[in-house]
Amino acid sequence: NAGVTQTPKFQVLKTGQSMTLQCAQDMNHEYMSWYRQDPGMGLRLIHYSVGAGITDQGEVPNGYNVSRSTTEDFPLRLLSAAPSQTSVYFCASSPGHSEAFFGQGTRLTVV
Amino acid sequence: GEDVEQSLFLSVREGDSSVINCTYTDSSSTYLYWYKQEPGAGLQLLTYIFSNMDMKQDQRLTVLLNKKDKHLSLRIADTQTGDSAIYFCAETPQTGSYIPTFGRGTSLIVHP
Repeated sequence: NAGVTQTPKFQVLKTGQSMTLQCAQDMNHEYMSWYRQDPGMGLRLIHYSVGAGITDQGEVPNGYNVSRSTTEDFPLRLLSAAPSQTSVYFCASSPGHSEAFFGQGTRLTVV
Repeated sequence: GEDVEQSLFLSVREGDSSVINCTYTDSSSTYLYWYKQEPGAGLQLLTYIFSNMDMKQDQRLTVLLNKKDKHLSLRIADTQTGDSAIYFCAETPQTGSYIPTFGRGTSLIVHP
């Protein structure tokens, strides 16, 4: 069982570059979400999806885009990277009122 | 909106009990969770409790829920060095997105 797979594990970007963080789950979960984790700030919700074709903003959506064309995939796009987006990014999926399964995280540094 | 609060640090001696506390604001929360994050890893579910329960015990873990005060606690008995990690409290609302809201996490440090 792969669970939730995030790629890449590490990334360094220059300010202004764009990139896509990939997230895939093989559990047929309807609900998927992206969080960023910063020291002392816990996990903050960026965007989430309640099913294919449906996305919505979380607490800190600015500078990020998402799409959900399939149940399995939920990529996160950074449009123009800024140093403030240096963080650890986690993707999660769940079937609803139940355990959320997390990927291993993507550690992003923007210089 | 929902808000989940936790203290940031807890230090205990090996063999003692650890108690990690959490308060939440959403009175419609149906499920309340405790997740554990080890260094360099994602979060993993430790245990959860339904809002119609007061207590849940699972081996060394005891979860207490006080709905009136919106207070959740996690007690770890006989704490071991392997329990050193960040512990997150989370809640999901009764309706809507079912996307969990997390607290800031409590870093548990267990020393010999």
